[in-house]
Amino acid sequence: GAGVSQSPRYKVAKRGQDVALRCDPISGHVSLFWYQQALGQGPEFLTYFQNEAQLDKSGLPSDRFFAERPEGSVSTLKIQRTQQEDSAVYLCASSSDSYSNQPQHFGDGTRLSIL
Amino acid sequence: GENVEQHPSTLSVQEGDSAVIKCTYSDSASNYFPWYKQELGKGPQLIIDIRSNVGEKKDQRIAVTLNKTAKHFSLHITETQPEDSAVYFCAASIGEEGGADGLTFGKGTHLIIQP
Repeated sequence: GAGVSQSPRYKVAKRGQDVALRCDPISGHVSLFWYQQALGQGPEFLTYFQNEAQLDKSGLPSDRFFAERPEGSVSTLKIQRTQQEDSAVYLCASSSDSYSNQPQHFGDGTRLSIL
Repeated sequence: GENVEQHPSTLSVQEGDSAVIKCTYSDSASNYFPWYKQELGKGPQLIIDIRSNVGEKKDQRIAVTLNKTAKHFSLHITETQPEDSAVYFCAASIGEEGGADGLTFGKGTHLIIQP
């Protein structure tokens, strides 16, 4: 009965390094979302998967950001050549099906710090 | 795209009193409005949501109202308790058949319950 699980909880990287953040959604959830939350702000939408298909990536800030969900379950958000402005909490959410806005359930996020 | 404004940014109330947080949205096509509570170091937790075919929804001490004409919705917490202290976010999205949608969040309200 676990909720959305994200790892690592904290990640420190030097500017220019690549990072990979993992999300394990609630078992059986079809939809998976990634959000970025800057300090003191609300989450901002990055990308959305329905099963393995990435249906919306309009929120990804640059081509350095890449997300995948190859088997329709676990998802990875990858950031290449990290920059200081990438420092934020990255949140993953899942919902039970693909129809009309079912509730999204969030993990506790990965706090990324770029030095 | 959608824009969600949230007020106030900080709200301090005496324990036992009521708290009201207000949000406005810009896109008349939005039809789903969830509210989240976020505690320090945790992900957002869904506390209540409302769809555009409903004007009000209650769950124990929490209620949400929606005015589609004015494009605003509000969260009402009655009989506040110390454990209600947290940051609260409103959000909006456009649901479509066959596809979910990313949420657009407000900037958050820091609710402080004074003992």
